[in-house]
Amino acid sequence: AQSVTQPDIHITVSEGASLELRCNYSYGATPYLFWYVQSPGQGLQLLLKYFSGDTLVQGIKGFEAEFKRSQSSFNLRKPSVHWSDAAEYFCAVVPGSNFGNEKLTFGTGTRLTIIP
Amino acid sequence: KAGVTQTPRYLIKTRGQQVTLSCSPISGHRSVSWYQQTPGQGLQFLFEYFSETQRNKGNFPGRFSGRQFSNSRSEMNVSTLELGDSALYLCASSLGRTGTGLYEQYFGPGTRLTVT
Repeated sequence: AQSVTQPDIHITVSEGASLELRCNYSYGATPYLFWYVQSPGQGLQLLLKYFSGDTLVQGIKGFEAEFKRSQSSFNLRKPSVHWSDAAEYFCAVVPGSNFGNEKLTFGTGTRLTIIP
Repeated sequence: KAGVTQTPRYLIKTRGQQVTLSCSPISGHRSVSWYQQTPGQGLQFLFEYFSETQRNKGNFPGRFSGRQFSNSRSEMNVSTLELGDSALYLCASSLGRTGTGLYEQYFGPGTRLTVT
């Protein structure tokens, strides 16, 4: 079945350390790819997006993500996390086979905890 | 530019009642999508409207319905509420009808519905 997977339910990182959150998808064609962040009690904020072109994408708040077609992955990275980055992170995918008639499908999320 | 607004932010209803949630998109955005977020099922797509027409629908029972007005504001209605309808309901707006304009979505803060 077509899906998007975030293998890590919960990650704990020290403040100032680097971060990588994993996202894998299982669609045949190159999809549209997104990362969203959700703070407690809030809606989702778009961090970055990939539609086509350069596979390394820069987003807001110092985040970046790299699309790797061979690995069907779109991992989110940040070189140095801040306590304010503690939140839940969602990868989202739109299958590339029929843009316009597909819905945005979300992964199950990764909860990020930052320790001092 | 003002973001997506949702009203009310919190709602408590009793089983069997019905509820209407409201969403005002970002100015100029013509597409509105609705999502249900629960701890068990995660983020699930409900439906998407563009120019007052429902264009896409998720796998929810007919008790869940929506509509969009000429000013792009949208409402969703849930009739005969069940305990399992307790969730955060998120609205997202985007610019266009297809492609990148449709899928680059901006979310509101959500309406927290509790059914007792």
